[in-house]
Amino acid sequence: EAGVAQSPRYKIIEKRQSVAFWCNPISGHATLYWYQQILGQGPKLLIQFQNNGVVDDSQLPKDRFSAERLKGVDSTLKIQPAKLEDSAVYLCASSLVTFRGNSPLHFGNGTRLTVT
Amino acid sequence: RKEVEQDPGPFNVPEGATVAFNCTYSNSASQSFFWYRQDCRKEPKLLMSVYSSGNEDGRFTAQLNRASQYISLLIRDSKLSDSATYLCVVPAKGGGSNYKLTFGKGTLLTVNP
Repeated sequence: EAGVAQSPRYKIIEKRQSVAFWCNPISGHATLYWYQQILGQGPKLLIQFQNNGVVDDSQLPKDRFSAERLKGVDSTLKIQPAKLEDSAVYLCASSLVTFRGNSPLHFGNGTRLTVT
Repeated sequence: RKEVEQDPGPFNVPEGATVAFNCTYSNSASQSFFWYRQDCRKEPKLLMSVYSSGNEDGRFTAQLNRASQYISLLIRDSKLSDSATYLCVVPAKGGGSNYKLTFGKGTLLTVNP
């Protein structure tokens, strides 16, 4: 089966600019996640979608970050305006509908963002 | 107690050694757990799932202790290719009936020749 697709792989922008990332999950996976991974740390959940609805965005900095999954398939994550501390790898993952969180995640290759 | 807390490492072991990592969690209602492996500059990949008391897959054994709320990962006969960061993942109850998967910070393992 095709894996989770993400683009771009790398992005370098200046602070205060905007950037968008795209993700296409594994076919049939209802749940889609965006994680932020700063160097030396584990991935931190930014937002979780179930089909096209948001089920958790408690750690998303909503003043600058936004995400959508309009048709319940692919998703975009946007940062506007970017700050230096947003430099990280942004990982998209998908999973089947879970019962008590028992379905593992499948990750894309990630987008490495550098804000200068 | 933090949602998920792992041995900070790093661990440096010789080839052939046995090494174990621990991970503690705070949500006693968590039912299933995962260990992921992440190579340098790569995405995390599922290593093992743990649904009951434990799971074994070749040289890798994961054990779950619900009373003490920790899971462990044991690697026997370490290979150079086992060098990676090992991430502990625990489901936590989110809003409504939703569960979110929370990652630990990871434990870096280096296996030396």
